[in-house]
Amino acid sequence: DAGITQSPRYKITETGRQVTLMCHQTWSHSYMFWYRQDLGHGLRLIYYSAAADITDKGEVPDGYVVSRSKTENFPLTLESATRSQTSVYFCASSEWGQGPLSWGGYTFGSGTRLTVV
Amino acid sequence: DAKTTQPPSMDCAEGRAANLPCNHSTISGNEYVYWYRQIHSQGPQYIIHGLKNNETNEMASLIITEDRKSSTLILPHATLRDTAVYYCIVRAMNNNDMRFGAGTRLTVKP
Repeated sequence: DAGITQSPRYKITETGRQVTLMCHQTWSHSYMFWYRQDLGHGLRLIYYSAAADITDKGEVPDGYVVSRSKTENFPLTLESATRSQTSVYFCASSEWGQGPLSWGGYTFGSGTRLTVV
Repeated sequence: DAKTTQPPSMDCAEGRAANLPCNHSTISGNEYVYWYRQIHSQGPQYIIHGLKNNETNEMASLIITEDRKSSTLILPHATLRDTAVYYCIVRAMNNNDMRFGAGTRLTVKP
C-alpha cells in the first residue's frame, strides 16, 4: 500500500542496547523527518533529511543516528538506549511541489512506541 | 520560543461549528500558517495551510486576519471524530524545523 509506514509498532529494549526504528515511504518524497513525542514536551524534531545522503540535526539529536542511503527509507538508530529515550517516535515525509501537500505539508506515520527498561 | 499561542482546551457540541483560534503576532512575511491535528495515539494529520488569504478544503476553513497576527481554524460541522489536539504552526517554506507547540485539545460532545 502507498503511504508511510513505521516499524516496529511497539518495542521494549534494555538500557545500553542498540535499537533501530524503521521508516519507509512510497511517494519518493524528498524530505523525511523523525520526531519524538513525550508528555509535557509535545512533538520535537530529532533529525531530518532533505534527500538521499543528506541529513541534518533537529532540536534534540543527541543519542540518535540517522542514515538515508535510499530516498524511501530513513532509519533512526539509538546507539545505546537510555530510559530518557522512552517515547513515541513519529516519522514524516514531505515534498515541495504541486498538490495538497505542496509548500511543506507533512504526512506522518502511525508511530513507534519505544520503552527502554 | 513559542511563535503561536493557542488555548489549551475547548469544547464544542456535535454538529456545531468549531472555531479554534491561534495568535501569531510575530509572524514574518514569508511564513505560512499550518494546522495539523492529532487524534489520540495517531500521527499528526495535516489539515490546511495559508499565507494571507482565507483557505477552504474538504476538512476545514482557515481565516487569517488582514494583519496576519492571528487566525482561526473552522470545522463547520464538528463530529465526535474531530475530537483531537489541534496544532497551529507558523513556518517559512524553506524551514525544515517545523515545531509543534502544545496545541488546543478540542473535545466534541454529543
